Amino acid sequence: EAGVTQSPTHLIKTRGQQVTLRCSPISGHTSVYWYQQALGLGLQFLLWYDEGEERNRGNFPPRFSGRQFPNYSSELNVNALELEDSALYLCASSLANYGYTFGSGTRLTVV
Amino acid sequence: TQLLEQSPQFLSIQEGENLTVYCNSSSVFSSLQWYRQEPGEGPVLLVTVVTGGEVKKLKRLTFQFGDARKDSSLHITAAQPGDTGLYLCAGANNDMRFGAGTRLTVKP
Repeated sequence: EAGVTQSPTHLIKTRGQQVTLRCSPISGHTSVYWYQQALGLGLQFLLWYDEGEERNRGNFPPRFSGRQFPNYSSELNVNALELEDSALYLCASSLANYGYTFGSGTRLTVV
Repeated sequence: TQLLEQSPQFLSIQEGENLTVYCNSSSVFSSLQWYRQEPGEGPVLLVTVVTGGEVKKLKRLTFQFGDARKDSSLHITAAQPGDTGLYLCAGANNDMRFGAGTRLTVKP
């Protein structure tokens, strides 16, 4: 069984640009979660999608947005990139809130 | 401010030593998970605890959930270099919130 897959693995963008990150959950998992892991700050909750709907949102500005598709895959979009957006972006999926399976993440560097 | 506070932040020990790391919060959680993360990878789930006072053992790792379901501890017996990594606790209610982690280094 394939795990959670994320693409791309690495990305370099210029300040002010826009980026789209992608996540495919484990087959059968309907919930997808996005986290930002900046250096030394732990995992910060970004977004939770379930059955195509946004269920909850962390304390991030509106330029962080996303969506979930009918096949439960998900995209995270970040507009007007800032230097402090440089981080590892992790996607996780679950069936219920008993534990997440994470992807390996997308390392975003904003220069 | 982190919802979950983990301590210590860093821990460096010799192979064979025992250690305990802590995860504390003022919030009550429906469940709590522990994860281990290695560089360049996503966190991997170690255990889920649900009931207050619950103790779970996974080989040399012992996990305990506080009676009030606000805190947890992870005890490792006879640590090995393979235990090196970032240990994260996460509390679940409507979603999952993570602590900043304990970075453990076990030296041979």
